[in-house]
Amino acid sequence: DGGITQSPKYLFRKEGQNVTLSCEQNLNHDAMYWYRQDPGQGLRLIYYSQIVNDFQKGDIAEGYSVSREKKESFPLTVTSAQKNPTAFYLCASSRARGGQPQHFGDGTRLSIL
Amino acid sequence: DQQVKQNSPSLSVQEGRISILNCDYTNSMFDYFLWYKKYPAEGPTFLISISSIKDKNEDGRFTVFLNKSAKHLSLHIVPSQPGDSAVYFCAASGSGTSYGKLTFGQGTILTVHP
Repeated sequence: DGGITQSPKYLFRKEGQNVTLSCEQNLNHDAMYWYRQDPGQGLRLIYYSQIVNDFQKGDIAEGYSVSREKKESFPLTVTSAQKNPTAFYLCASSRARGGQPQHFGDGTRLSIL
Repeated sequence: DQQVKQNSPSLSVQEGRISILNCDYTNSMFDYFLWYKKYPAEGPTFLISISSIKDKNEDGRFTVFLNKSAKHLSLHIVPSQPGDSAVYFCAASGSGTSYGKLTFGQGTILTVHP
């Protein structure tokens, strides 16, 4: 069964700590994306990657970092510079540059202790 | 600046009736539109899409209508079923963005009563 796996489902972080969210896909998709969802709002793009070893900032990249060392994996690090990290984080992928639709994982809910 | 807006935060419908979810956009560069359905604590699931060269696309109980002059799209669900209860997001993409960025609306909570 192909899909996108995000782990963990729930994550707690102390203030001042960095934390990394995992995203793995076995759909053989080239493009991968990270979104953030806050209550009552739509999804906002944090970072995206169209190809291995390349990634670009989205609309709200400040306080986040990513890497794309393998086609299947696109981890997101929420750094201590992110002032309001509590949110629901969603990873997505699509077949090619600009390809639609994007397919989503089940998300990681990050909370600050 | 919200380029994609879903002005109704919620919609309540009786089972068997039609559900109509609306979405407005402001960016004339958008040329591809999608609807996603989302259950709590899960990721969005793609439902249906429409290109700007069409004004209607149908898939089973789901139909999306696009009115380019009004910059408005709507999702019709007929007949509505209790399992359709979820949050529905519309999203838009523009050919001017090479990376296929999706801009999402805020979502509409649909509740279908038995």
